Amino acid sequence: DAGVIQSPRHEVTEMGQEVTLRCKPISGHNSLFWYRQTMMRGLELLIYFNNNVPIDDSGMPEDRFSAKMPNASFSTLKIQPSEPRDSAVYFCASSFRASGPWDTQYFGPGTRLTVL
Amino acid sequence: KNEVEQSPQNLTAQEGEFITINCSYSVGISALHWLQQHPGGGIVSLFMLSSGKKKHGRLIATINIQEKHSSLHITASHPRDSAVYICAVTQLSGGTASKLTFGTGTRLQVTL
Repeated sequence: DAGVIQSPRHEVTEMGQEVTLRCKPISGHNSLFWYRQTMMRGLELLIYFNNNVPIDDSGMPEDRFSAKMPNASFSTLKIQPSEPRDSAVYFCASSFRASGPWDTQYFGPGTRLTVL
Repeated sequence: KNEVEQSPQNLTAQEGEFITINCSYSVGISALHWLQQHPGGGIVSLFMLSSGKKKHGRLIATINIQEKHSSLHITASHPRDSAVYICAVTQLSGGTASKLTFGTGTRLQVTL
């Protein structure tokens, strides 16, 4: 199995630019999660989808952040416009929701974003 | 006070030692997760549990719902166990599981 695939692995951009992070979940999984990790705040859940529908986006920091899941095999996290404080590692994870939304999650390798 | 607290923050052990990492939480939960993050940054989900005990190889996770406490044990520790171990809880909201809250992690270093 390929596991969760994220792209790009590293992204360096300038303040004000649009950034799009991509995620391909494990085939057959029906829940997808976007996380952000920083030294100051640790791991934070930004948003999660179940069956391609956003269920909880309360962790999305502000309107500059948006996430979509147009189909079961692809999701994007977009930041527009980006700011230096958005610099972090962004993880995508997927799981198969059987008895609840928080079954074992499989994490992607992360995208390290640097906003100059 | 954080809703999920881990102790210790840092832990150094010699190869072969028995290791315990603790997690306490202050909210109602539906499940507790233990994650492992390797020095390269990759995250692996180790356990998800809502009661009792789970074992996988040399790793054992226990949870006491009444005391709102969980422990992760590593038996016969090895340098490859060196990583950050993160506790997370799925909070209950209106009777349904929602928010996932993370502890700050325990950095474990196992030396030869």
